[in-house]
Amino acid sequence: DIQMTQSPSSLSASVGDRVTITCRPSQSIGRYLNWYQQRPGRAPKLLVSATFTLQSGVPSRFSGSGSGTEFSLTISSLQREDVGTYFCQQSFSTPFTFGQGTKLEIK
Amino acid sequence: EVQLVESGGGLVQPGGSLRLSCVASGFTFSTYEMNWVRQAPGKGLEWVSYINGRDSRGGPTYYADSVRGRFTISRDDAKNSLYLQMTSLREEDTAMYFCARDAGPLAARPLDYWGQGTLVTVSS
Repeated sequence: DIQMTQSPSSLSASVGDRVTITCRPSQSIGRYLNWYQQRPGRAPKLLVSATFTLQSGVPSRFSGSGSGTEFSLTISSLQREDVGTYFCQQSFSTPFTFGQGTKLEIK
Repeated sequence: EVQLVESGGGLVQPGGSLRLSCVASGFTFSTYEMNWVRQAPGKGLEWVSYINGRDSRGGPTYYADSVRGRFTISRDDAKNSLYLQMTSLREEDTAMYFCARDAGPLAARPLDYWGQGTLVTVSS
């Protein structure tokens, strides 16, 4: 099974800050890396698929990058509505494992 | 508008069974692969199971090691419905269960739409 190591586990930043979350799979997964946002009490929402592809309606301050065994999700200018937990997921092979999550809070 | 609505959760004793359902609307259900994902209270996301799309009878299904042999995923395309039959339930199966649509291999298989979930509690 592919293990997904996500860091940091929690993050507190100010509005307007640039924020980066990292995900490292235990083996190369090509571009099969997706990012989800989960607001408290809600279902996860797909933000970025296939490493780079921003989903329709997702603000352009979100971006994804990486390849192989290191991937990142960046928020260029943090907004209050970005509070929540972010998960990476590999869709290269089953089991389609998720990272442990990064809880993002506003200072 | 794509919608996924889960049902069937509840309180069950250890060793018991439950059948979860997910009704889909707003897209051609039969052409999409589908998944179940769960989230234990206060914990992260755990992928549970996958089922193929069109012509899925006899097609591949996959399971997490933690549920293989106890859970069975199935679908009824005529009813736009996805199911998860859960048997020999354990306390560690307590979680919110989400059904999620797989966008397909050309999109690198992200889970692009999710239901709101149905809560399964396994407790004596």
